[in-house]
Amino acid sequence: GAGVSQTPSNKVTEKGKYVELRCDPISGHTALYWYRQSLGQGPEFLIYFQGTGAADDSGLPNDRFFAVRPEGSVSTLKIQRTERGDSAVYLCASSLTVGPSYGYTFGSGTRLTVV
Amino acid sequence: SQQGEEDPQALSIQEGENATMNCSYKTSINNLQWYRQNSGRGLVHLILIRSNEREKHSGRLRVTLDTSKKSSSLLITASRAADTASYFCARRGRDDKIIFGKGTRLHILP
Repeated sequence: GAGVSQTPSNKVTEKGKYVELRCDPISGHTALYWYRQSLGQGPEFLIYFQGTGAADDSGLPNDRFFAVRPEGSVSTLKIQRTERGDSAVYLCASSLTVGPSYGYTFGSGTRLTVV
Repeated sequence: SQQGEEDPQALSIQEGENATMNCSYKTSINNLQWYRQNSGRGLVHLILIRSNEREKHSGRLRVTLDTSKKSSSLLITASRAADTASYFCARRGRDDKIIFGKGTRLHILP
């Protein structure tokens, strides 16, 4: 597609439930990044993929968070046993590749609310 | 915290004036990027400056980078109401992660 697509745009879930957030990057972009943004803060790095593999997952806050990108295109961020503190906007971005000359294109984000 | 320092945290100026936002960081970088965000949702990439560059221009935007001081500035000239937004600097390190600052909330007064 023309841009990075994230679905759903909003998700309300009950504490303890499992959620999946989807990111469809720009076609041909090999690098894909997930960020989380709380109100009034900058985006916080979670994980990035180069192709199918997670190149750096050091930002995932704990083992309830997991992300996959099985075919090197669409990625899914999975959160188990959600907690109220997981409420935030989850942003996905893609880049043609990694390297010093490339910027990111961001999706519009998924606003996750855990009640 | 992953986030660097940006100042000011908030800035209000009259339409037509210039707006300057600053960003500092601590580790070495491959590049530094500036983004704009409206209404807390999608970030829009504004400009990228590589570590071997000192200044870049794009329309009304001017970015400088001083790697010896580990700092960057974003200047918006002749501000407009549509420039009201949050502005973030993001630095790409050697590990290819991009780390964002906390942002500057810019408000252009009519």
